[in-house]
Amino acid sequence: KAGVTQTPRYLIKTRGQQVTLSCSPISGHRSVSWYQQTPGQGLQFLFEYFSETQRNKGNFPGRFSGRQFSNSRSEMNVSTLELGDSALYLCASSAGFSGSDHEQYFGPGTRLTVT
Amino acid sequence: GENVEQHPSTLSVQEGDSAVIKCTYSDSASNYFPWYKQELGKGPQLIIDIRSNVGEKKDQRIAVTLNKTAKHFSLHITETQPEDSAVYFCAASAYTGGFKTIFGAGTRLFVKA
Repeated sequence: KAGVTQTPRYLIKTRGQQVTLSCSPISGHRSVSWYQQTPGQGLQFLFEYFSETQRNKGNFPGRFSGRQFSNSRSEMNVSTLELGDSALYLCASSAGFSGSDHEQYFGPGTRLTVT
Repeated sequence: GENVEQHPSTLSVQEGDSAVIKCTYSDSASNYFPWYKQELGKGPQLIIDIRSNVGEKKDQRIAVTLNKTAKHFSLHITETQPEDSAVYFCAASAYTGGFKTIFGAGTRLFVKA
């Protein structure tokens, strides 16, 4: 079974631009969560989607948004990029049908650099 | 808000020795506690997990213990090997209509050959 895939793997953007990152979960998994990883703040939860609905959200500004498609693939968008948005963005998938389906499997991440 | 504290931030052991990493969580709704290993340039890899109705779980050289009353959980690695060198993260997860997982800050483990 293929793992979680994320595209692109590396991205360089300029301050003020916007960016869209993509995540394809493990086949059969319907829950996709997004995390931001930085040396200073560690792994921080952005949001979780299940069956095209956002079920939970972390403490990030509205510039960070996401969506999920009917095939469970998910995208996250960051608008008006700031230097502090430079980070590794990780996507994790899980079966997600109930509270007992917590096991999350991470993709390799997208390394975003904002200049 | 909810948080997970993880100690130590860095741990250096000799090959063959044991390593212990400890975490404390604050959200009483947390009922699932995974541990992840992250190697350079890769995403975190789930290595073991424990649910709130279990006190201890073991998988070969790795074991995890949970004290729900004290809100403590720990990772134990025995007979460490150089390939165990990586960053380890603990996490606490709650399901309240949707998943929310809070991660510890990570422990960088060095295993010296």
